[in-house]
Amino acid sequence: GENVEQHPSTLSVQEGDSAVIKCTYSDSASNYFPWYKQELGKRPQLIIDIRSNVGEKKDQRIAVTLNKTAKHFSLHITETQPEDSAVYFCAASIGWSGNTGKLIFGQGTTLQVKP
Amino acid sequence: ETGVTQSPTHLIKTRGQQVTLRCSSQSGHNTVSWYQQALGQGPQFIFQYYREEENGRGNFPPRFSGLQFPNYSSELNVNALELDDSALYLCASTSSGSFNEQYFGPGTRLTVT
Repeated sequence: GENVEQHPSTLSVQEGDSAVIKCTYSDSASNYFPWYKQELGKRPQLIIDIRSNVGEKKDQRIAVTLNKTAKHFSLHITETQPEDSAVYFCAASIGWSGNTGKLIFGQGTTLQVKP
Repeated sequence: ETGVTQSPTHLIKTRGQQVTLRCSSQSGHNTVSWYQQALGQGPQFIFQYYREEENGRGNFPPRFSGLQFPNYSSELNVNALELDDSALYLCASTSSGSFNEQYFGPGTRLTVT
């Protein structure tokens, strides 16, 4: 069935260092890959997404890369700050115009940025 | 913050009871999806509604049911509650002009005792 594997489950970095979280998806028809940040007790917040017709997307300190052949996608955070500490979820879905696909989530990565 | 709201914030129910959770979509969003998030796990897709019709369902039993209203708000109903139903229930809405981006509400924390 559809599955998304996410690694690592926990990640601890020093402030200013980079953090990388990796995901693998199983359904080759997946064409949309969002990343969510969830702080303790709060809603998942969409921070960046990428569609299958693009290999890389960047938004300030956050970037996402996609390798469709290997069915891998990754989140890169540069110059990490303590406020980046949270649980990060990757997801994959199959969507098309007029239809929003269901999101299949990874297991989450707890990122801790030490001051 | 998104314009998606959910009520109630917290709820405690007894095994065997029924519960209704509510979601108000962001203005202009005609698709609502519901997810169950157990502690320490990623959200799991329950079902989705588009223009008041169910438009996809995850691996949840029929005692999980839903509705979407003409104003695109939505309800999640769970019958015969079980202890394992204890979780954070999230709804997410999507704009008619953006066919993938899902914006989550704050969730309802359901505890079944």
